[in-house]
Amino acid sequence: SAVISQKPSRDICQRGTSLTIQCQVDSQVTMMFWYRQQPGQSLTLIATANQGSEATYESGFVIDKFPISRPNLTFSTLTVSNMSPEDSSIYLCSVEGSHTEAFFGQGTRLTVV
Amino acid sequence: QQQVKQSPQSLIVQKGGISIINCAYENTAFDYFPWYQQFPGKGPALLIAIRPDVSEKKEGRFTISFNKSAKQFSLHIMDSQPGDSATYFCAASIGTSGSRLTFGEGTQLTVNP
Repeated sequence: SAVISQKPSRDICQRGTSLTIQCQVDSQVTMMFWYRQQPGQSLTLIATANQGSEATYESGFVIDKFPISRPNLTFSTLTVSNMSPEDSSIYLCSVEGSHTEAFFGQGTRLTVV
Repeated sequence: QQQVKQSPQSLIVQKGGISIINCAYENTAFDYFPWYQQFPGKGPALLIAIRPDVSEKKEGRFTISFNKSAKQFSLHIMDSQPGDSATYFCAASIGTSGSRLTFGEGTQLTVNP
């Protein structure tokens, strides 16, 4: 299994500002994934981040709003830019294990006021 | 377009009873169907998963039933316990990647003592 650490675990931010969420994995992984879980709702894939290439974004998500970095095989960041209250969600980092199972971090609970 | 539909939204079961959660999918290209369990403040954790070449998979008290022709799959929790109280998500993906997942809406399960 993979151990995933996310920072911060929660934050309260002013609208119009940006927050960068960090995801650290205890082993090297090819692909890292970022999901959003809006309050009381399901998880939606934001983007897939491969080391050494541009992230691939899902429909409805754009790089200007959610820029992603993937500098090495154990680390990634997701930035939520120019935040509005609608961005209040839990943001989750995920990696694929050796048997195709997905492991998730504990999430970053973001509140935009 | 919601590609994986999950029901019920919430479920209350007595201790020792059977909990049944159902999912239906639309995309026939899906070939990996995991179930995740999520406790408050935690990321989702893989519970059990199935591929469409089998109709049933059992792990302890948890069983997945899969009906390829109906494009439906379900989770059965036998002898439900208060510690099973959590939110359960079905999901689906294509190919070997278990992390580029499409999630159902979630079911909040409460097991009363």
